[in-house]
Amino acid sequence: QVQLVESGGGAVQPGLSLRLSCAASGFTFNRYGMHWVRQAPGKGLECVAVIPYDGNNKYYADSVKGRFTISRDNSKNTLYLQMDSLRPEDTAVYYCAKDGVAGLRTAAGFSDYWGQGTLVTVSS
Amino acid sequence: EIVMTQSPATLSVSPGERATLSCRASQSVSSNLAWYQQKPGQAPRLLIYRASVRATGIPARFSGSGSGTEFTLIISSLQSEDFAVYYCQQYNDWPPWTFGQGTKVEIK
Repeated sequence: QVQLVESGGGAVQPGLSLRLSCAASGFTFNRYGMHWVRQAPGKGLECVAVIPYDGNNKYYADSVKGRFTISRDNSKNTLYLQMDSLRPEDTAVYYCAKDGVAGLRTAAGFSDYWGQGTLVTVSS
Repeated sequence: EIVMTQSPATLSVSPGERATLSCRASQSVSSNLAWYQQKPGQAPRLLIYRASVRATGIPARFSGSGSGTEFTLIISSLQSEDFAVYYCQQYNDWPPWTFGQGTKVEIK
């Protein structure tokens, strides 16, 4: 069965960095695009970064562009999100999610499996 | 950016009754629309994609319809496990893909 397990969250001061990881299993990781979606406390969902199966054509939300970097290691079935220059408004649960269609150069856009999320708290 | 607007914000329904949730896009998204269910403390769960296709393992009481700018999710007979927040998401525009603000389905 598909499993996505995030790690790396925690409490950090503004301006500092964190790296999130997502270990994937139960599907052919190198065939699917992957997403990072966040949810601020009590708020809705925001797709912040997307990477297609081949690692090209990455997408970032305007709110994180230039500060966050999405990457993947297909040999380790692992997705990453490097978060630099963190701000209090980045406080959220960060979900790793699998794209719903295999082999697309831009990813399909909907997520058929999600991890349980990892909480990032940015506060002084 | 395409704005997704869900209505109502909260829907009070008795178990066994039908629930109708709406989602409107600020411009056409064709049929590139998904619905998710989220329970407190849990990750979202995909219910519907391509506006009307049920995801794997989703019960038949969930149905989606619509195209263009107007979409509907119907839960034909609410079960206790269906009380949750429901989000629509458009994935027509690359980028960004955008979510609605959610509809909370609560017990009446």
